[in-house]
Amino acid sequence: EPEVTQTPSHQVTQMGQEVILRCVPISNHLYFYWYRQILGQKVEFLVSFYNNEISEKSEIFDDQFSVERPDGSNFTLKIRSTKLEDSAMYFCASTGTGRGNEQFFGPGTRLTVL
Amino acid sequence: GNSVTQMEGPVTLSEEAFLTINCTYTATGYPSLFWYVQYPGEGLQLLLKATKADDKGSNKGFEATYRKETTSFHLEKGSVQVSDSAVYFCALSSNFGNEKLTFGTGTRLTIIP
Repeated sequence: EPEVTQTPSHQVTQMGQEVILRCVPISNHLYFYWYRQILGQKVEFLVSFYNNEISEKSEIFDDQFSVERPDGSNFTLKIRSTKLEDSAMYFCASTGTGRGNEQFFGPGTRLTVL
Repeated sequence: GNSVTQMEGPVTLSEEAFLTINCTYTATGYPSLFWYVQYPGEGLQLLLKATKADDKGSNKGFEATYRKETTSFHLEKGSVQVSDSAVYFCALSSNFGNEKLTFGTGTRLTIIP
């Protein structure tokens, strides 16, 4: 069964450093998302991406964040200068087309900012 | 904007007990409704969904009915097992499809033998 994959599973970085979180969505999906979950809190939407551009972003997704689909298979989230409060689990998701379509989630990348 | 209000946890039940986790929503139009489950150390998995009023989603013995009149999508299971211990998230997406998911706060369920 096709699945969404994410690398790395755990990333530790120093405050102020840049990180890139990688995702490989399911191959025939067209819509891609990033969510985050701060430990013990709810899952929050960051950004959605379709047709090589951002279709919606939340207020969390400020100028420090960017997304890219560099090669038609990978979907990346870059945080330019990490802050302590960026420590969270980051989930990538993808979906095909159609109303109410299930979003398939990856296993997540745990980001720890020291 | 859209929002989901979910029964606060944690919830602890004995094996074979009846489970209800309440979920109500606020949204314009006719959203699609979902329950996702997160097992310890894992990502989110879709448990069940409903895309229109009065639809019943079901999977692994869990059920939820889309009630537009009460804007609710309560999760139920008649007899829980230890393996059902997890965090359950109610979520919605807008009626246009392929929109972002808005999640509730999650309910941690622990089943004791």
